[in-house]
Amino acid sequence: EPEVTQTPSHQVTQMGQEVILRCVPISNHLYFYWYRQILGQKVEFLVSFYNNEISEKSEIFDDQFSVERPDGSNFTLKIRSTKLEDSAMYFCASSFTGTGLDGYTFGSGTRLTVV
Amino acid sequence: SQQGEEDPQALSIQEGENATMNCSYKTSINNLQWYRQNSGRGLVHLILIRSNEREKHSGRLRVTLDTSKKSSSLLITASRAADTASYFCATGAPNTGNQFYFGTGTSLTVIP
Repeated sequence: EPEVTQTPSHQVTQMGQEVILRCVPISNHLYFYWYRQILGQKVEFLVSFYNNEISEKSEIFDDQFSVERPDGSNFTLKIRSTKLEDSAMYFCASSFTGTGLDGYTFGSGTRLTVV
Repeated sequence: SQQGEEDPQALSIQEGENATMNCSYKTSINNLQWYRQNSGRGLVHLILIRSNEREKHSGRLRVTLDTSKKSSSLLITASRAADTASYFCATGAPNTGNQFYFGTGTSLTVIP
């Protein structure tokens, strides 16, 4: 069964450093997403991406965050200057349609720890 | 807030019993999904039910949706130890594009 692949599975970084979280969505999917889950809290929407541009973003997704699809297969989330409160599990997801009617396929997540 | 809220927060049952989890939400929706998350792992999509559907089955899973009460339930029949996980509902609403709102989840423990 097709999978969304995320790397690395765990990233530890110093506060103030830049991190790039990587995702390989399912190959024929057109819509890509990042969500995050702070430990013990809800899964929160960050951003959706379609046709090489951001289609929606939440209040969490401020100027410190950016997304990119640098080639035909990867989808990345960059945090420019990490803060302690960025520590969370980050999930990438993809879907074929943007209607939500086909559900998402999520990756297994990258656990980001900012120290 | 659109976010779903699951009930109960935690549920512990014996293997073989049925597990029922509920989700309530606040505004109108296009669809509702249920996901499973094993500890520290990713989200696994279980089932999606559209707003014009009332019940859906997938294997040992049965999902109901009552839009008049703004609630959904997930029933896992003949539970197994491997069903131990957190279960989340996620709602997709009109005019919110394609983002989903997740609840805080129900932590299910199935005792062998």
